[in-house]
Amino acid sequence: KNQVEQSPQSLIILEGKNCTLQCNYTVSPFSNLRWYKQDTGRGPVSLTIMTFSENTKSNGRYTATLDADTKQSSLHITASQLSDSASYICVVSGRYNTDKLIFGTGTRLQVFP
Amino acid sequence: NAGVTQTPKFRILKIGQSMTLQCTQDMNHNYMYWYRQDPGMGLKLIYYSVGAGITDKGEVPNGYNVSRSTTEDFPLRLELAAPSQTSVYFCASSAPGQGEVWGSPLHFGNGTRLTVT
Repeated sequence: KNQVEQSPQSLIILEGKNCTLQCNYTVSPFSNLRWYKQDTGRGPVSLTIMTFSENTKSNGRYTATLDADTKQSSLHITASQLSDSASYICVVSGRYNTDKLIFGTGTRLQVFP
Repeated sequence: NAGVTQTPKFRILKIGQSMTLQCTQDMNHNYMYWYRQDPGMGLKLIYYSVGAGITDKGEVPNGYNVSRSTTEDFPLRLELAAPSQTSVYFCASSAPGQGEVWGSPLHFGNGTRLTVT
């Protein structure tokens, strides 16, 4: 069964610190992997989208990495800010049009001053 | 640029009542989707549409109906509301990407929080 698992479930860090969120998936064959940020009470917003041939992609202080061989991805946040407090959702797409997006349950990040 | 707009933001229904969740987008996206988000669960696809007049079922379509008469609008209809439909509902849209239905980023609305009691 196609699955996407994220860890940790929740994370608390101090402002200015770095952190790394993990995503493991079993979707095969695989097409692309996305990371979304979801603020409380809002819809998810796309951070990055990577195809199976890409290893890393950055969006400002957010850097996503992908290892298609081990089926793992990580999202690294540098110099965290209070506004980074949100849930971060990993989403994987299979290669066929009949495959739907598989959403992880998210990692809830809280950044404290 | 408004993006994806959902109304209402909140709604309380009694069991057995019906309602329509509205969704409209102004980005001229062909693809539109309805998802539900339950606590501790990943988003689940209810229905999707690849263009006006074309709709298809997702993972959890039971108890819902959709229509797509225009590119902009994709309403979700709940008939005979049940407590199991208590959830946050998100509408999303995307542009076709490289021929893949699922190749482009989704643009989400801010959701409708529905409670059925």
